[in-house]
Amino acid sequence: KAGVTQTPRYLIKTRGQQVTLSCSPISGHRSVSWYQQTPGQGLQFLFEYFSETQRNKGNFPGRFSGRQFSNSRSEMNVSTLELGDSALYLCASRTDGAHTEAFFGQGTRLTVV
Amino acid sequence: AQSVTQLGSHVSVSEGALVLLRCNYSSSVPPYLFWYVQYPNQGLQLLLKYTSAATLVKGINGFEAEFKKSETSFHLTKPSAHMSDAAEYFCAVLHGNNRLAFGKGNQVVVIP
Repeated sequence: KAGVTQTPRYLIKTRGQQVTLSCSPISGHRSVSWYQQTPGQGLQFLFEYFSETQRNKGNFPGRFSGRQFSNSRSEMNVSTLELGDSALYLCASRTDGAHTEAFFGQGTRLTVV
Repeated sequence: AQSVTQLGSHVSVSEGALVLLRCNYSSSVPPYLFWYVQYPNQGLQLLLKYTSAATLVKGINGFEAEFKKSETSFHLTKPSAHMSDAAEYFCAVLHGNNRLAFGKGNQVVVIP
């Protein structure tokens, strides 16, 4: 069974641009969550999508958005990039049900210059 | 709000020695706790999880953790460190809204 796949692995963008990251969950998983990892703030929850609906949202500005498609694949978008958005963005998928573990992808390393 | 605390960002351990990584949680309800490992330029891999079935949890790669309610702890141990254990380790608690809250992480260095 294929794991969680994130594309691209690396991105370099300029301040003010926007970026879209993609995540394909494990087959059969309908929950997809996104996390931002930085040296200063650690791992922070961005949002969770389930069956094409945003179910939970972390404390990030509106520049960060996401969506989920009918095949459970998810994208996150960051508009008007700032230097502080440089981070490793991790996607995780889970099965339905309570308290199940999250399976993480390898992440997308975004560098904003 | 539920949270976890990991002290000591860097942990050095000699090859063959005990690995001990501490995690304390704060929760008003029975917590669901996880340990994840992250190798350089990789995502997070689940080591083990506590979901109230048993207080001593065995995971992959020889790691185990013991849930102690009286101490609000979920420390991770491995009897004998191997060079391949060099990585960053994160303790996490699962919120009711399916959000994982992570500790700051422990960077483990294994000394030959």
